[in-house]
Amino acid sequence: KNEVEQSPQNLTAQEGEFITINCSYSVGISALHWLQQHPGGGIVSLFMLSSGKKKHGRLIATINIQEKHSSLHITASHPRDSAVYICAVRSMVGAQKLVFGQGTRLTINP
Amino acid sequence: NAGVTQTPKFRILKIGQSMTLQCTQDMNHNYMYWYRQDPGMGLKLIYYSVGAGITDKGEVPNGYNVSRSTTEDFPLRLELAAPSQTSVYFCASSGGGEQYFGPGTRLTVT
Repeated sequence: KNEVEQSPQNLTAQEGEFITINCSYSVGISALHWLQQHPGGGIVSLFMLSSGKKKHGRLIATINIQEKHSSLHITASHPRDSAVYICAVRSMVGAQKLVFGQGTRLTINP
Repeated sequence: NAGVTQTPKFRILKIGQSMTLQCTQDMNHNYMYWYRQDPGMGLKLIYYSVGAGITDKGEVPNGYNVSRSTTEDFPLRLELAAPSQTSVYFCASSGGGEQYFGPGTRLTVT
């Protein structure tokens, strides 16, 4: 079993829909990251969180440390949100290493 | 600031050839990382460094070597390239808990 599991692996939705991507992890962490990767593109950090909730524009990330679970929500989704969304956790010990989920491929149709 | 830069962007190698992937960051970060990303799989850590002169193995170090003679540079060396090393390689640096990724190098070994 992977230390970081994301669901769903693939998600297709219509423009305007509310999107939720889930991430569960099995290890103790110091922080959780949500990353975005556009097709053929680089990887950018969306959020880093260790508790509660963060919001940036139409994106919201939440984390429940007790349940070892995080969600990424996208409100009023748009075709430009089509990308792979990656959850990664930072271990509690040394070197700030990340362990990554396998990613969720999101496609928003106009 | 340029952030994290990688060269080359693309490369095709023949089996048995060697090459060096270059990575440079201008943010004065101590932590640097090399990852590989295979289709449908999460990023895997190859090697990491916590500062100049200090490197350590990640999850998938076989077939690779690194060095860290300066804070800025963290080159990844492939000796005796094999088809299993066909992948996209990302370099990253970390500061303040955030990870910053380079644009990636797409390597094909045939």
